Amino acid sequence: AQSVTQPDIHITVSEGASLELRCNYSYGATPYLFWYVQSPGQGLQLLLKYFSGDTLVQGIKGFEAEFKRSQSSFNLRKPSVHWSDAAEYFCAVGAAGGGNKLTFGTGTQLKVEL
Amino acid sequence: EPEVTQTPSHQVTQMGQEVILRCVPISNHLYFYWYRQILGQKVEFLVSFYNNEISEKSEIFDDQFSVERPDGSNFTLKIRSTKLEDSAMYFCASNGGSYNSPLHFGNGTRLTVT
Repeated sequence: AQSVTQPDIHITVSEGASLELRCNYSYGATPYLFWYVQSPGQGLQLLLKYFSGDTLVQGIKGFEAEFKRSQSSFNLRKPSVHWSDAAEYFCAVGAAGGGNKLTFGTGTQLKVEL
Repeated sequence: EPEVTQTPSHQVTQMGQEVILRCVPISNHLYFYWYRQILGQKVEFLVSFYNNEISEKSEIFDDQFSVERPDGSNFTLKIRSTKLEDSAMYFCASNGGSYNSPLHFGNGTRLTVT
């Protein structure tokens, strides 16, 4: 069965500092990996996705993530965090096909200190 | 950019009552989903729907739950007799038919069962 682990429940960073959110997955085949962001009272917005090819993927809002098969990881990074990045971040793994079902991690709550 | 829209944003109901949560997926999408997020917990898959039938459902999606696409635009989730533990945020999502089509989520309906 597929699973996702986000080891950090809460992270606090200062505005302008770099950010890395960890994600480890378990999946029997080549995974399709996603990062979603959820602001308070909002839905889940797709930040970026990995399907194949280049293991470093770029997303919206200046985020990037690197797929490392050997470590079963897909960590999210941002070189300089903005106060508006404060939100909850979810890593997810999915199956192939248009009917892909996603399995989510428990999320990491990001707080940004000014 | 087209969006998945959900109504209502918040629904309060008494235990044992029936509720219908409504969603309008993105118009050219083919796959439709419901997920839920109990407060403080991870986002969980409930059901996927394709070609007017359920394609996959989770253990959570028992006989109390049903989905329907009553017309060409709406996608509904019905809970026949709500329980306290059904209180959660319910997210509708949709995606296209290609293997690399990511899920687009609505903003969710917060269901409170009293």
